[in-house]
Amino acid sequence: GAVVSQHPSRVICKSGTSVKIECRSLDFQATTMFWYRQFPKQSLMLMATSNEGSKATYEQGVEKDKFLINHASLTLSTLTVTSAHPEDSSFYICSARGLRGRMLDTQYFGPGTRLTVL
Amino acid sequence: AQTVTQSQPEMSVQEAETVTLSCTYDTSESNYYLFWYKQPPSRQMILVIRQEAYKQQNATENRFSVNFQKAAKSFSLKISDSQLGDTAMYFCAFDFGNEKLTFGTGTRLTIIP
Repeated sequence: GAVVSQHPSRVICKSGTSVKIECRSLDFQATTMFWYRQFPKQSLMLMATSNEGSKATYEQGVEKDKFLINHASLTLSTLTVTSAHPEDSSFYICSARGLRGRMLDTQYFGPGTRLTVL
Repeated sequence: AQTVTQSQPEMSVQEAETVTLSCTYDTSESNYYLFWYKQPPSRQMILVIRQEAYKQQNATENRFSVNFQKAAKSFSLKISDSQLGDTAMYFCAFDFGNEKLTFGTGTRLTIIP
C-alpha cells in the first residue's frame, strides 16, 4: 500500500514553454500533497504544500506564478512550471499523506520527474 | 529554529556487516514524528522506518532499527547484515507538528561486496 506515482518521469522542453507534472496517490486518499525540488547531491527542498480543494501554500522564495499547483481531488495534484527556463531544470518529487492512522503522519513519495529545459 | 544534522556525508561498510548512521536535531516541541528515508540510485524516496517521539520503545523493521534518545535529541539508524541493495542516500527527517518534513543533508552509504 501507499503507492504514489508521478508522470512523466522525464521531460525535455524548450525555454519558454510550460510543463505539467502529475502526482497521484494510487491506493489511498491523500489529505495533503507536497512538492519538492532536489538539486544534484543535495537534500530535498520543499516548494509548496497543497490540500484538496484549496490554494497551495508556497515556501518562502518560491514563485507561485511560475510554479502553479492544483490539487483537484484526494488522489491528484499537478505542478505546472510556466515559461520554463534552463535554471528550472531539476528533479521534482511529490509526496502524499493519507487520511488516517499512520498514513496521516507519514509522507509517501513519488518516483520523481527529471525536467530539462533547453 | 528546528534543525537536523547528519554529520556523516559518506560511509562504506562490507556486506553483511552492521552500520549505524547518526542524526541529531534541535526542537522545542515535545511531540513529533521521526523518519528515515532511503534514496537509492533510482532516486525513489523509500520510507525505511518511522518513530513517534512519545513512544519510548525504539522502532524496528526487519534489519533496520533506530536508537532514539529524546533527551539527547539523537535518532540513529542501525542496519544489520547489510546487503548490496542497501547502497543509497539515507535521510533522516522530522515532522515537528506542522505537517512539513525537515530533512537532514543525507549520508551516502555504500555497501562493499
